[in-house]
Amino acid sequence: GAVVSQHPSWVICKSGTSVKIECRSLDFQATTMFWYRQFPKQSLMLMATSNEGSKATYEQGVEKDKFLINHASLTLSTLTVTSAHPEDSSFYICSGAGSLDGEQFFGPGTRLTVL
Amino acid sequence: GNSVTQMEGPVTLSEEAFLTINCTYTATGYPSLFWYVQYPGEGLQLLLKATKADDKGSNKGFEATYRKETTSFHLEKGSVQVSDSAVYFCALSVGTGGFKTIFGAGTRLFVKA
Repeated sequence: GAVVSQHPSWVICKSGTSVKIECRSLDFQATTMFWYRQFPKQSLMLMATSNEGSKATYEQGVEKDKFLINHASLTLSTLTVTSAHPEDSSFYICSGAGSLDGEQFFGPGTRLTVL
Repeated sequence: GNSVTQMEGPVTLSEEAFLTINCTYTATGYPSLFWYVQYPGEGLQLLLKATKADDKGSNKGFEATYRKETTSFHLEKGSVQVSDSAVYFCALSVGTGGFKTIFGAGTRLFVKA
């Protein structure tokens, strides 16, 4: 299957700082990318959907000013957690979709810990 | 609306036992159905998929059949291994313009040697 990478794989930051997470599709063009958040032992919660060159569509309850998403190219999307707080600590997973049947290819995830 | 319901875990089996994880869905339109697997500390990997009714997806000994009449997509494996221990997510995707995927809650599987 297609490969999606995320960087960094884990990050620890101080409260109040901003953190940027990169998501890259390595061998396909992801016309749509998704960002999820996963709490321990829980399912994935979709945060937002982004199409290349367009503004992201955020799910209800997700603060768009806090979680900034940029999808500047068909192979790169970034999620910036602004002014992070301990409650933002979580596992963030991105995925890319390029096919017609809805299959998504997931990155390995980024574990964010805010102290 | 669209939703996925899968059996609660954890499921604990002995090696070589038969596995079934139930999954049912509700959807408007004609969804594609997926099973994803998440190993400890990793992201999700596609295990198998089916895009239309009566299709059977299969991979690594796992299989699931898209049953439109019962709106189900149960995951089965005839003989599990310790290495199959993971969390399994049933999911559906429907529509155009992004194919938002709806995930079930996940079922944790433990396989004992």
